Amino acid sequence: NAGVTQTPKFQVLKTGQSMTLQCAQDMNHNSMYWYRQDPGMGLRLIYYSASEGTTDKGEVPNGYNVSRLNKREFSLRLESAAPSQTSVYFCASVPKTGRGETQYFGPGTRLLVL
Amino acid sequence: GENVEQHPSTLSVQEGDSAVIKCTYSDSASNYFPWYKQELGKGPQLIIDIRSNVGEKKDQRIAVTLNKTAKHFSLHITETQPEDSAVYFCAASWGSSASKIIFGSGTRLSIRP
Repeated sequence: NAGVTQTPKFQVLKTGQSMTLQCAQDMNHNSMYWYRQDPGMGLRLIYYSASEGTTDKGEVPNGYNVSRLNKREFSLRLESAAPSQTSVYFCASVPKTGRGETQYFGPGTRLLVL
Repeated sequence: GENVEQHPSTLSVQEGDSAVIKCTYSDSASNYFPWYKQELGKGPQLIIDIRSNVGEKKDQRIAVTLNKTAKHFSLHITETQPEDSAVYFCAASWGSSASKIIFGSGTRLSIRP
């Protein structure tokens, strides 16, 4: 099992450009998440998908959109990138929706917006 | 709103000594408290967790304690080794919604040889 994979690993964008971050998991998990990690601020939830076919906003959804393509894949799209979106983005999955579930994280995507 | 505070932000200890990281949470309904370790260039990985019906849990050199009355929980690492150097995150989770988990701001632990 590869676990949770993310592409790309690094990306540099200019302000106003768009891009999609890809995430896939091969553990047959129901729930998937997108976080951003900024220095001194821990992990903040952008969007999540409790199950295939559903998506919901997290703490910091502005400027992002998501698609739960199927049970395995959950993508994050930046329609018009801004310097404030410079961050490290992590995708995570959880076996089933509910409290007290371990989150399995991908290796992250480092994004720099100039 | 809900909040998790984590201290200290950086911690340096001599190899072989113990390290303690502390977190406090604001929502008394929190019932699951995981700890994650993040090595350089990698995603966070769960190292230990504790639920609200347990006061302490150990796994070899790692232990977590929970004080529900005071709403704080701590990570204890004994006999520290160089491979313990990493950033550690605490988190608090509550309810049945997938969105209800808040992470602390992280502690960068360095082990001095």
